[in-house]
Amino acid sequence: AQKVTQAQTEISVVEKEDVTLDCVYETRDTTYYLFWYKQPPSGELVFLIRRNSFDEQNEISGRYSWNFQKSTSSFNFTITASQVVDSAVYFCALSEAEYQGAQKLVFGQGTRLTINP
Amino acid sequence: DVKVTQSSRYLVKRTGEKVFLECVQDMDHENMFWYRQDPGLGLRLIYFSYDVKMKEKGDIPEGYSVSREKKERFSLILESASTNQTSMYLCASRVRTSGGDIPYEQYFGPGTRLTVT
Repeated sequence: AQKVTQAQTEISVVEKEDVTLDCVYETRDTTYYLFWYKQPPSGELVFLIRRNSFDEQNEISGRYSWNFQKSTSSFNFTITASQVVDSAVYFCALSEAEYQGAQKLVFGQGTRLTINP
Repeated sequence: DVKVTQSSRYLVKRTGEKVFLECVQDMDHENMFWYRQDPGLGLRLIYFSYDVKMKEKGDIPEGYSVSREKKERFSLILESASTNQTSMYLCASRVRTSGGDIPYEQYFGPGTRLTVT
């Protein structure tokens, strides 16, 4: 069965520190997709990134970077020089096999990140 | 911009009541999803719909039903609300994919925090 584990329930850092959110997944599929979503206090999840299982290149987007390692089944997310606006709950998710054109996601437990001024 | 709206941000109901949660999306998406979010458990899929009048059970469908009479609207129904259904409910929508397509991200509504007393 598919599973996503985010072992860090809560992280609290001071502004400008770097912080890494861990994500470990389990799947038997050879083709799969991994996602990160951000849930700010407003409630709606916001899509951050999608990565397929064949692309292990790290990705950087501004202060955000992602490290995908198939050997350890991990897809970790790093925020560099964190800011108060980064405070949110972050979810890692894994795509399941498609059914009738609808691909379901399996979510991790989420990590609540608090950036203190 | 894709917009997913949910009928209420906060809802308080009594045990045994029939509860309707409404979700509307404005981007002509085929796929729609209902999740519940609980601390420490992340998001869990209740039901999804891959097209009008088509629905499938997710991981935790017990105690819930759904209705998709129009493409833009997906309703979650609690036939007889119970206290263990107190939770945050999130709706999402997504474009359909077919065989081998890259899965598009899901777009989420702001959530409905339901309290059953």
